[in-house]
Amino acid sequence: DAKTTQPTSMDCAEGRAANLPCNHSTISGNEYVYWYRQIHSQGPQYIIHGLKNNETNEMASLIITEDRKSSTLILPHATLRDTAVYYCIVRPRSMIYNQGGKLIFGQGTELSVKP
Amino acid sequence: DGGITQSPKYLFRKEGQNVTLSCEQNLNHDAMYWYRQDPGQGLRLIYYSQIVNDFQKGDIAEGYSVSREKKESFPLTVTSAQKNPTAFYLCASSLNRENTIYFGEGSWLTVV
Repeated sequence: DAKTTQPTSMDCAEGRAANLPCNHSTISGNEYVYWYRQIHSQGPQYIIHGLKNNETNEMASLIITEDRKSSTLILPHATLRDTAVYYCIVRPRSMIYNQGGKLIFGQGTELSVKP
Repeated sequence: DGGITQSPKYLFRKEGQNVTLSCEQNLNHDAMYWYRQDPGQGLRLIYYSQIVNDFQKGDIAEGYSVSREKKESFPLTVTSAQKNPTAFYLCASSLNRENTIYFGEGSWLTVV
């Protein structure tokens, strides 16, 4: 089962910031938080990941709470092309005792960016 | 362009026939993966390979087979033993098992 909880759907106005929350209350110290998004009928696209510090790249920012039990993905200026299903995934830091590459996908958040 | 190429994008097969989906990457990644996605569902791991000539079963390996004879190639065969083969199949790769996983564009398989 997925170790994360996300809202089923969200709306955002074009040009505004989209803030997508994720709860991962059982996360352990060696687990990363990864975010992917998937546009219908395409492969998932990697967005960003972090361990405990906030991260930013050209696509988004990731804010992780101090207790690491939740995080927020921020798309600073949402466009219509950001409409997609966004997946928050907890992934172990080391795969030695786990199936390598096992990303456990939940249902994700369907983000609709509206004009 | 560097990336992960899956082919074909759409494939139709009759029930009882085996079918092979191609996955090629030119990223020099050691690890490769196959996932399956059903409509409205998340992805589930079928098989993965950490290195050439080695692969392991994922959560739903029954009815599938793979090979990893070359670093850049990881083909998936959907056999007639797979009960519900109609799905969206995704190939992915990563530099190694601890690095970020990147996905191909997927292949739609419809069995009639």
